[in-house]
Amino acid sequence: DTGVSQDPRHKITKRGQNVTFRCDPISEHNRLYWYRQTLGQGPEFLTYFQNEAQLEKSRLLSDRFSAERPKGSFSTLEIQRTEQGDSAMYLCATEGLNYGYTFGSGTRLTVV
Amino acid sequence: AQSVTQLDSHVSVSEGTPVLLRCNYSSSYSPSLFWYVQHPNKGLQLLLKYTSAATLVKGINGFEAEFKKSETSFHLTKPSAHMSDAAEYFCVVSDQKWGTTDSWGKLQFGAGTQVVVTP
Repeated sequence: DTGVSQDPRHKITKRGQNVTFRCDPISEHNRLYWYRQTLGQGPEFLTYFQNEAQLEKSRLLSDRFSAERPKGSFSTLEIQRTEQGDSAMYLCATEGLNYGYTFGSGTRLTVV
Repeated sequence: AQSVTQLDSHVSVSEGTPVLLRCNYSSSYSPSLFWYVQHPNKGLQLLLKYTSAATLVKGINGFEAEFKKSETSFHLTKPSAHMSDAAEYFCVVSDQKWGTTDSWGKLQFGAGTQVVVTP
């Protein structure tokens, strides 16, 4: 598989629970981005990594959100104490030199 | 700060007629601009990208966009709509300055235009 893989595709959780999403990038892409898309809106930037270093975080990324990219390979996005406002599609994208962006299909989170 | 404004939230066209999706951008320099399409329950797909001096950019599936610096616009057009064009379309600006090979950087998406195609 040469695409960006995200897991799970869908997640339903109760308010207050913690959730973790995973993104597996295209192997030669050294930049990895997380975006959030709420219903009826365009995706919004959350954070990005170059290799294992997290270089920028949006103000949207509250203290309940944390992202990691150990060893510069896959990345995880964790949301602690989920709230109903966290319900959204979480998109991962990777970028390699001269390759441009490739988006994954996303993880749809529903907080009930 | 860079931003894009999509002037229409919904566009309805008849199959076989032209499609026009309007986008204005705001940037302190000449940015790279993109159009993406998102079909229901599908991922984001790049339609076209403007990063060079050529003002008319041709993309996939018969779409093209014209960059007009004087009007700060980057409108998307297609001469003849097909039923399969029904989707959400996003105008996007990036940190990358056009004409460079820098990283695209983070992308700033517009709110989207929902396109409906009627038979």
